[in-house]
This record gives sequence, C-alpha cells and structure tokens, in this order.
Amino acid sequence: SQQGEEDPQALSIQEGENATMNCSYKTSINNLQWYRQNSGRGLVHLILIRSNEREKHSGRLRVTLDTSKKSSSLLITASRAADTASYFCATDESGAGSYQLTFGKGTKLSVIP
Amino acid sequence: DTAVSQTPKYLVTQMGNDKSIKCEQNLGHDTMYWYKQDSKKFLKIMFSYNNKELIINETVPNRFSPKSPDKAHLNLHINSLELGDSAVYFCASSQAPGSPLHFGNGTRLTVT
Repeated sequence: SQQGEEDPQALSIQEGENATMNCSYKTSINNLQWYRQNSGRGLVHLILIRSNEREKHSGRLRVTLDTSKKSSSLLITASRAADTASYFCATDESGAGSYQLTFGKGTKLSVIP
Repeated sequence: DTAVSQTPKYLVTQMGNDKSIKCEQNLGHDTMYWYKQDSKKFLKIMFSYNNKELIINETVPNRFSPKSPDKAHLNLHINSLELGDSAVYFCASSQAPGSPLHFGNGTRLTVT
C-alpha cells in the first residue's frame, strides 16, 4: 500500500527561487528519506531524517519532519536548472522489518533558467 | 565504477515470452531489492533479498521470480509476459535494513 503522498504533484519555478515539497504518510516510521530522479535514471538518495529528529540540512537542502502530523517537507534553496527532476519521499515503517522503503508518487520539479 | 548495474537498459518483447533482467552491486551490501515503476512514476517494492534469503514478496504474481546466485547479484526472471508488465524495473541495494538505497538506472520493459 502507498505510504507517502507528495504535494504538489508538479512545481515550476524560476532559477534562484526556493522550492518546497511536502510529504504526508500514514503509519509510524523509523526514518523518512528523500530521493531525486532525473529523467531516464535511477533514484538518488538525498537525505535521511530519523523519527526523533525535527530538522536536517545538507547543502542547499533542508528537511523537516513532524511526526505528530505525519508530514515532512523538503526545501531546496536558490534553485538551479540542474535541480529539475522528480523528488520522492520514502518511509521506513516501524514494525515492517525495515526491509522495505515505501515511496510516494513524487513531485516533478521544473526549474526554468 | 558503477555501484548498481542492471542489464539490459531496454527490453522489448512479445506477450507470452520469458525474459530475465540482471542486477549486480559492487558495494558489498547485504540487501538487494527489485522495484517496479509504472507510467505514473509510482514505485512499488516487488522483492527484497537479505543474504540470499527472500524477505518480502509484495503480492507479485508468481510469474516473477527473483534469483540470487550470490549476495552481489539479484536477477529477475519473468515468465509468460503480459501487456501490464510494461514498466521500468529498478534494482537497488542497501547496506542495512532502513538505510539509504542505491539504485541502478532501470530497465524499461515494453511488452507488445
């Protein structure tokens, strides 16, 4: 069953602007991860945030996690054309044996030069 | 060096045929996975293997069978292909349960 739901489904911004994508999930989790997928390629891991963490940074990426609302957000600051890709959240569900990540449907980000 | 490699990149075949997709990882990871991505980009877990033992089989038809000759390889064999099997299939590996996945670049399967 699908766990994460990203919104918006698609986002188009100008280069230099910030992009925010949201993810909601349904069950308790051990951690939540964000991935990027460029067209025709595999997914690339961006950042992992554990259930006891509230915020994490990596370069131009900022991820927040609110376990009470079962939601997370990914902020990309000062976007570049190269950030154009689909972004997915994935949850490692508590009690699921931690052998699978459940992915959302993704947000397609277009950064216009 | 490619960390997770899968072949072929493209596979076009007719209904009823049997085909295999190969996957190899050189990361020394213990767990490997197969995911299916449909035309709407939705990714669904098919199988995961930990130390050559099947951990999860997510309601996948038994026409699909994972085969792991060793912990660096997880191949996917599909019997009696159907139109609905058309999708992109991704192999992935992880160092430990719940840790980040490393994906291959996918195999686009088209069944005609």
